[in-house]
Amino acid sequence: AQKVTQAQTEISVVEKEDVTLDCVYETRDTTYYLFWYKQPPSGELVFLIRRNSFDEQNEISGRYSWNFQKSTSSFNFTITASQVVDSAVYFCALIFTSGTYKYIFGTGTRLKVLA
Amino acid sequence: DVKVTQSSRYLVKRTGEKVFLECVQDMDHENMFWYRQDPGLGLRLIYFSYDVKMKEKGDIPEGYSVSREKKERFSLILESASTNQTSMYLCASSSPKRAGEGTEAFFGQGTRLTVV
Repeated sequence: AQKVTQAQTEISVVEKEDVTLDCVYETRDTTYYLFWYKQPPSGELVFLIRRNSFDEQNEISGRYSWNFQKSTSSFNFTITASQVVDSAVYFCALIFTSGTYKYIFGTGTRLKVLA
Repeated sequence: DVKVTQSSRYLVKRTGEKVFLECVQDMDHENMFWYRQDPGLGLRLIYFSYDVKMKEKGDIPEGYSVSREKKERFSLILESASTNQTSMYLCASSSPKRAGEGTEAFFGQGTRLTVV
């Protein structure tokens, strides 16, 4: 089965705290891509990062970092020193490139950053 | 700047009406998608198109149909709207740079449909 699980429905943190959003995936394919998207209150999903299954290097972009571990089928997202503007719903997604290119999304994690 | 545009941000329709949701992309992407977003359920794929006039059912196609007569436009049709189709609808497009490569999808701003 192809599946993405985001077990955290909602997280609240106080500004400047670090927060990690979890993403666990299932796939039988050996070649696949993982994504994170941010959905602010305006509604449009904004692409944050893409990672392919052969690249397990962690990535850092400013206050954002991602930890990809194939051994545990996880692709976790950490925001360091959170800010109120980080408040949004975050989605993890999977695409497998054999067959049609359909994205499988998790149910999302709502992050609330309190001032 | 890449763009996916949905024709309406908010829509209110009556039960039984035929509803058209339009989506246009200006990136010459082959793939286009319609998702439905509901609280606690995330994004669920309704239909997917990988080329003009080609379509494939997603996870929840019942009560919906689609049309793709031109590459840039993908329409979602609710044949007879019902209250359980009240939801946020998101259109997206993508294009693999090379065969076997997964690129990100670009999303429209969403249409919040209320069926009364």
